[in-house]
Amino acid sequence: GESVGLHLPTLSVQEGDNSIINCAYSNSASDYFIWYKQESGKGPQFIIDIRSNMDKRQGQRVTVLLNKTVKHLSLQIAATQPGDSAVYFCAENNSGYSTLTFGKGTMLLVSP
Amino acid sequence: DGGITQSPKYLFRKEGQNVTLSCEQNLNHDAMYWYRQDPGQGLRLIYYSQIVNDFQKGDIAEGYSVSREKKESFPLTVTSAQKNPTAFYLCASSNLQGAHEQYFGPGTRLTVT
Repeated sequence: GESVGLHLPTLSVQEGDNSIINCAYSNSASDYFIWYKQESGKGPQFIIDIRSNMDKRQGQRVTVLLNKTVKHLSLQIAATQPGDSAVYFCAENNSGYSTLTFGKGTMLLVSP
Repeated sequence: DGGITQSPKYLFRKEGQNVTLSCEQNLNHDAMYWYRQDPGQGLRLIYYSQIVNDFQKGDIAEGYSVSREKKESFPLTVTSAQKNPTAFYLCASSNLQGAHEQYFGPGTRLTVT
């Protein structure tokens, strides 16, 4: 697969644990924040997003928390499974602009 | 099946040759994007297009060129002027109002020797 995970921060958890992946964003004017999951050798896959007027949003087994005061975003994965092993990227978007700015990513490794 | 396709999955070229990477989408999205991904780094934007026959440079456009003759297609040419072309290239698309919801293709791994 692709070696996109080289030199990335890595979070190692046991199957069934809860995982928390963190991201610091840079632009205080950003109004959308998105989490993507990228499995080895594949393109990123949208997981969940959150608007800047919210501080929490829940999906299936995932929760995103947004702290605008410190420009911090986190992704919580409940009951982590081996299939969750991947690189996770946060991205930010200012709706006045048509592009995303991506963070460097965190590799999540889940042991059975 | 709706989605984005990129071809080929793996591409090998000799230094000094131009090479064109294909990206096609049938999602009826207006906007399309090309990113480059290197090990240990996030995605960096090369070019994007919001409408046919128009495109804008991203953060690392030098050594690359694009065209948008059809809504469904956004090919990327990696020219011999690109100093470090070996990378994983990702194409994405979105609605104009939804740049935050980009859908990605499977990527093309380009190796230049």
